Amino acid sequence: LAKTTQPISMDSYEGQEVNITCSHNNIATNDYITWYQQFPSQGPRFIIQGYKTKVTNEVASLFIPADRKSSTLSLPRVSLSDTAVYYCLVGEGTGGFKTIFGAGTRLFVKA
Amino acid sequence: GAVVSQHPSRVICKSGTSVKIECRSLDFQATTMFWYRQFPKKSLMLMATSNEGSKATYEQGVEKDKFLINHASLTLSTLTVTSAHPEDSSFYICSARDPQPFQETQYFGPGTRLLVL
Repeated sequence: LAKTTQPISMDSYEGQEVNITCSHNNIATNDYITWYQQFPSQGPRFIIQGYKTKVTNEVASLFIPADRKSSTLSLPRVSLSDTAVYYCLVGEGTGGFKTIFGAGTRLFVKA
Repeated sequence: GAVVSQHPSRVICKSGTSVKIECRSLDFQATTMFWYRQFPKKSLMLMATSNEGSKATYEQGVEKDKFLINHASLTLSTLTVTSAHPEDSSFYICSARDPQPFQETQYFGPGTRLLVL
């Protein structure tokens, strides 16, 4: 089961771009990389998912190098409401998979 | 997008009683659902994997007789905390796996806050 490592916490200011990197050295061939956002007392919310190279949606970009041993979530121009915990997850594989949450990165956006 | 609901959102019960939490996938069919618990300022801990029409698979250290899971349909899974005690007080979150359009995407419910007095 692929284990992920992220920084415990990060601070930023409103309007800045924030990049959160996650390492997953033992990622398997079939594994996708998924990022979730969680606010206090709420369930995690899906942000973005990718397999390789770059993926972009309306809220974030995900950069994955060729060796797939790490990934970087990029949040453009963060606001105070982006203060949350961000989790990087790597799937176990196709069918019957389960997901193990790491500690996540606590992002604090300041005015 | 895919929506998962949970009911109730919060519950307070007396020690020794049982509490049932429902998890529903509202706009997709989920053959697999997951149950997590989360303590304050901690990460989510997977408790069990719930498969429609079969027995749940519990993680090591999770008592299957205490945390009863039933996945009777493709849109509903229930977690029953039997004979609840104060140490069972926690935030319980379910998720459902939607195989479309991406592989391995889970969508999470809003969570249920359980307080056992």
